[in-house]
Amino acid sequence: AQSVAQPEDQVNVAEGNPLTVKCTYSVSGNPYLFWYVQYPNRGLQFLLKYITGDNLVKGSYGFEAEFNKSQTSFHLKKPSALVSDSALYFCAVGNQAGTALIFGKGTTLSVSS
Amino acid sequence: EPEVTQTPSHQVTQMGQEVILRCVPISNHLYFYWYRQILGQKVEFLVSFYNNEISEKSEIFDDQFSVERPDGSNFTLKIRSTKLEDSAMYFCASSDRARNEKLFFGSGTQLSVL
Repeated sequence: AQSVAQPEDQVNVAEGNPLTVKCTYSVSGNPYLFWYVQYPNRGLQFLLKYITGDNLVKGSYGFEAEFNKSQTSFHLKKPSALVSDSALYFCAVGNQAGTALIFGKGTTLSVSS
Repeated sequence: EPEVTQTPSHQVTQMGQEVILRCVPISNHLYFYWYRQILGQKVEFLVSFYNNEISEKSEIFDDQFSVERPDGSNFTLKIRSTKLEDSAMYFCASSDRARNEKLFFGSGTQLSVL
């Protein structure tokens, strides 16, 4: 069965520093991987997805994610964090049929000024 | 950017009562979903809907749950007899394509069952 794991409940980083939010996956077949962000009192917003191709995927708001097949990881990264990046980040994988997303438990990113 | 709209934002109900959560998906989207998030836990898939039929449902989506697209714009989730454990944030989402595509989520309805 498809699953994702986000090993960190919270990531703290200073503004201007690079950030990484970790995600590992377990799938049967090809992985379809996503990152979503949730700001307070808002719905989840799509950041980026990996289906095939380049291992470095670029997304919204300057975020990117690195797909690593050997480590079964799909970490979210940004070279220089902003205070406004503070939010809850979810990694997700498509189910085998591609008809639903299976989410991780989320990682709270806190960027301090 | 177009948005998925959910109403109400908060719903409080007594255990055993029926609730209907409403969603207006993005107008040209054809694939609709409900997810829920119990406080402090994962976002969980409930059901997907296409062409006036359920495409897929999770184990959570038992006989107490139903979905409907009563007209060309609304998409509803009904819980017939609410339980305490149904308390959660319920998210509606829509997509213009079938598989492994970007979902657009609403802001959610916080359901509290007392």
